[in-house]
Parts: sequence; structure tokens; C-alpha cells
Amino acid sequence: EPEVTQTPSHQVTQMGQEVILRCVPISNHLYFYWYRQILGQKVEFLVSFYNNEISEKSEIFDDQFSVERPDGSNFTLKIRSTKLEDSAMYFCASSGGSPDTQYFGPGTRLTVL
Amino acid sequence: EDQVTQSPEALRLQEGESSSLNCSYTVSGLRGLFWYRQDPGKGPEFLFTLYSAGEEKEKERLKATLTKKESFLHITAPKPEDSATYLCAVNSGGYQKVTFGTGTKLQVIP
Repeated sequence: EPEVTQTPSHQVTQMGQEVILRCVPISNHLYFYWYRQILGQKVEFLVSFYNNEISEKSEIFDDQFSVERPDGSNFTLKIRSTKLEDSAMYFCASSGGSPDTQYFGPGTRLTVL
Repeated sequence: EDQVTQSPEALRLQEGESSSLNCSYTVSGLRGLFWYRQDPGKGPEFLFTLYSAGEEKEKERLKATLTKKESFLHITAPKPEDSATYLCAVNSGGYQKVTFGTGTKLQVIP
């Protein structure tokens, strides 16, 4: 069964450093998303991406964040200068359409020291 | 703004003791309501999508139903492996984002 994959599973970084989180969405899906979940809190939407551009973003997704689909399979989230409060689980998701079921990856745990 | 409220926050059941989880929502134009299961440290695992009031879907011991204001996830004769956090989420209006509730943490005791 097709699934969304994410790397790395755990990333530790120093405050102020740049991080890139990677995702491989389900191959025939057209919409890609990033969500985050701070420990003990609910899953929150960050951004959606369709047709090689951002289609929707939340207030959380400020200038420190960017997304890219560098090739036909990968989808990345970059945080330019990490802050302590960026520590969270980051989930990538993909869907075949909109609205449509979004399938989530296993997540990357980001720890900012 | 979409709101999703789940109750109870936590539920402890004996193996075989059936129960229901509630998801109340306030949206402008529901396009889809989703149920996911989340194990600790893992990503949400898709269970069901419901699109319109009156719709029902079943999978093994789980059954999801939808009305105009809420959804229920019924768990029949649960087993310890059903222990997880169950998340409800909605998509509405012309948006692509999905708004999640805080989840119900279910523990099934052998």
C-alpha cells in the first residue's frame, strides 16, 4: 500500500540554525501539506502546495518557513532560523484532490536546543 | 473559523465494553469530516472520511456516523490493540487545510 515517507525521523539542531525536513508523498497525489504538532497539543495546519506553488498557509507559516518540490518525488519544508518554539513533530501529508482524504507520514521530531 | 471539539478527552474501557467517541464541529460548509487514529510518536493513520449527514462507514470494530453538527465513532467490543488517540478533523469552505480536534485518548484494558 502506498505511503508517505519522511526523513529524518528525529532532527536535533541549535537555535538559529537552518533545517530541512524531507517528505516523499504518495506518487500519484497532487496536493501536499505540512502540519505540526507540539507535544501534548493538537495537529496544526502549516501550508498546502499544489501545482508547484503554495495554495494556502496559516499564520504560523511566516517568513522563516518555505516549501519546495525540488524534483518529481520530494517535498521539503525549510525553517531558516530555528527557534526554541519550533520544537514539535512535523507531519507531511498528501492527497489526490481537494477536498480529499489526506494521508500522513510518520513525522519528523524536531528538537531545537 | 472552523472549530472541532472532541469528547471525552480520555476514555478507559474494559476489553469488550463498547462505547462511542463524540466530535462536534462548527464550520461554514462542510466538505469532509475525517477520523484518524494516532499512536504515540506516530503520524495520524486514516480511518474514515464522511461527506454528508446520514453517512455511515464501518471498518472492523469501528463505525463512524455523521449528522449536521457532530460525528460519532462507535467502538464495538474493543480490544487492547484499539488503544490509541482518535482524532477528528474537518475540511470546509474553499479551503484545503484540515482542522483537527484535540483527540480522545482511548485505553482498552484486558
